[in-house]
Amino acid sequence: AQSVTQLGSHVSVSEGALVLLRCNYSSSVPPYLFWYVQYPNQGLQLLLKYTTGATLVKGINGFEAEFKKSETSFHLTKPSAHMSDAAEYFCGIIRGSTLGRLYFGRGTQLTVWP
Amino acid sequence: DAGVIQSPRHEVTEMGQEVTLRCKPISGHNSLFWYRQTMMRGLELLIYFNNNVPIDDSGMPEDRFSAKMPNASFSTLKIQPSEPRDSAVYFCASSPGAPGNTIYFGEGSWLTVV
Repeated sequence: AQSVTQLGSHVSVSEGALVLLRCNYSSSVPPYLFWYVQYPNQGLQLLLKYTTGATLVKGINGFEAEFKKSETSFHLTKPSAHMSDAAEYFCGIIRGSTLGRLYFGRGTQLTVWP
Repeated sequence: DAGVIQSPRHEVTEMGQEVTLRCKPISGHNSLFWYRQTMMRGLELLIYFNNNVPIDDSGMPEDRFSAKMPNASFSTLKIQPSEPRDSAVYFCASSPGAPGNTIYFGEGSWLTVV
């Protein structure tokens, strides 16, 4: 069963516009949540993660995400898109029932127009 | 610091041949993962090792696939015999082991089976 759902396989924004990449999860216990970025022909790089504590998590390159338990969401945002943000973004989850295993959503390709 | 090192980076092989992908995790990490990335199926977790022991191989697609971790600094993923549908990018990743810790990815091995 899919544990993480990323809404929208492709998102396009103009440079300077808000970036919003959506991620919803399913878990019966508090999960650990991650966002990774993949640039063309490269591996995955961690942007940010939520484990415990503060629900608003800040990551690299100006990205942040908020864990909302009531909405089972962990959406990724950035106030102002830059051309260099164009990449594929993956939301990931580690659930208590599958401790240690990181499962990913299908990914969202972000395009930034000049 | 050296990250996760994978070899070969690119391989083209003929159907029916044996393929061996290699991975050196980050020193001190005791969890190791193999993932496969394709357009059709996204990022799939194939197998997860903890302290060199396979914990979960439920993602291994068929008996043609096998993975070993003979010591803490080396792992292999073998496909025998290979088929065109095995063409994908295979990622190795490692982490210090505790569930909330970051999982670090290698650059991937790009496999093409013709």
